[in-house]
Amino acid sequence: ETGVTQTPRHLVMGMTNKKSLKCEQHLGHNAMYWYKQSAKKPLELMFVYSLEERVENNSVPSRFSPECPNSSHLFLHLHTLQPEDSALYLCASSQDGTTDTQYFGPGTRLTVL
Amino acid sequence: GENVEQHPSTLSVQEGDSAVIKCTYSDSASNYFPWYKQELGKGPQLIIDIRSNVGEKKDQRIAVTLNKTAKHFSLHITETQPEDSAVYFCAATDTGRRALTFGSGTRLQVQP
Repeated sequence: ETGVTQTPRHLVMGMTNKKSLKCEQHLGHNAMYWYKQSAKKPLELMFVYSLEERVENNSVPSRFSPECPNSSHLFLHLHTLQPEDSALYLCASSQDGTTDTQYFGPGTRLTVL
Repeated sequence: GENVEQHPSTLSVQEGDSAVIKCTYSDSASNYFPWYKQELGKGPQLIIDIRSNVGEKKDQRIAVTLNKTAKHFSLHITETQPEDSAVYFCAATDTGRRALTFGSGTRLQVQP
């Protein structure tokens, strides 16, 4: 266990559905991240939050909407997704910035039909 | 932004042999280089990292070397065991984006 949990572990949704992914870290870290992992791009950064403020949005389509209500929780709200959005979505946290070790959760396997 | 290239994409070795995975990076200001191991059904886990003020770091059977002049770093695993079989990712800091950029991964298979 890395101290980072993600729910659900698996999610199947239609293109018109709205769903949310949840991440929680129990490490007292100040930074949290969302990554997308697929066969085409193994680890692609999506969003970075530092002290609950979004500091990086890596040109992610607006159908992905992140939310960080506090330093322990991170959400990824999904709506009107496309089949090509099917992937493993990984959450990570680190003490502060990018030169700190990032601890990853187990991921949510998302399938968009 | 940072560009990280990783080779090889797959590597098969016999148990007890050594394995070497190499990465190059483009951002000369990068100063942190972690290596992650990802097993099936799990998220990546840090196995070793190195900062730009050192050239080599060892932790039991695992070592990482860094050549800042050539902008490349390598992971060395000695006396490989079947449980070393996994996908390994290198990464480097992207100083322009406050983020890590990851390599494309190496699938290591250790044959018993």
